[in-house]
Amino acid sequence: DAGVTQSPTHLIKTRGQQVTLRCSPKSGHDTVSWYQQALGQGPQFIFQYYEEEERQRGNFPDRFSGHQFPNYSSELNVNALLLGDSALYLCASSLAGEQFFGPGTRLTVL
Amino acid sequence: GQQVMQIPQYQHVQEGEDFTTYCNSSTTLSNIQWYKQRPGGHPVFLIQLVKSGEVKKQKRLTFQFGEAKKNSSLHITATQTTDVGTYFCAAPPTTSGTYKYIFGTGTRLKVLA
Repeated sequence: DAGVTQSPTHLIKTRGQQVTLRCSPKSGHDTVSWYQQALGQGPQFIFQYYEEEERQRGNFPDRFSGHQFPNYSSELNVNALLLGDSALYLCASSLAGEQFFGPGTRLTVL
Repeated sequence: GQQVMQIPQYQHVQEGEDFTTYCNSSTTLSNIQWYKQRPGGHPVFLIQLVKSGEVKKQKRLTFQFGEAKKNSSLHITATQTTDVGTYFCAAPPTTSGTYKYIFGTGTRLKVLA
């Protein structure tokens, strides 16, 4: 059973560009949450998707948007990238509370 | 807004010594989770505590949830080099349902052989 997978592993973008990150949840998990983790910090909740809808959102601007597909996989889109968006983006899938994190996508904005 | 504070921020111990990290909240928590993140890795779920005063053990790890459900601790007995990493607590805000987890600042543990 593959755990949570994310792609790409690393990404380099320039300011103002747009990026799409992808996540496939653990088999049987229907809920996907996205987190941003800056270096040396704890993960910050971006939003959570359940049944293809955004169920809850953290304190992130509208530049951050997402989508969940019928197979429960999910995408995170970030528009108009800023230098401060450089971070590790983590996807977590869950069932009954326990969250399984993927390896993350390291985004660098130059 | 709710904050979850962890202390200490860093801890260096000799292999074989014990280690404890504490998590404190200004508000009552419905539950608390603990995660471990190895250097360069991703958070890995360790445990979830729900009941007031709950104590759970996993081999050398002991987790406690305070009676008032505002604090929690993780204690490692006789640390090993494999315990190296950052330990995070995470809890949902009581006013926003259980979907959004707020992570603590983390405690970075180094174990000296």
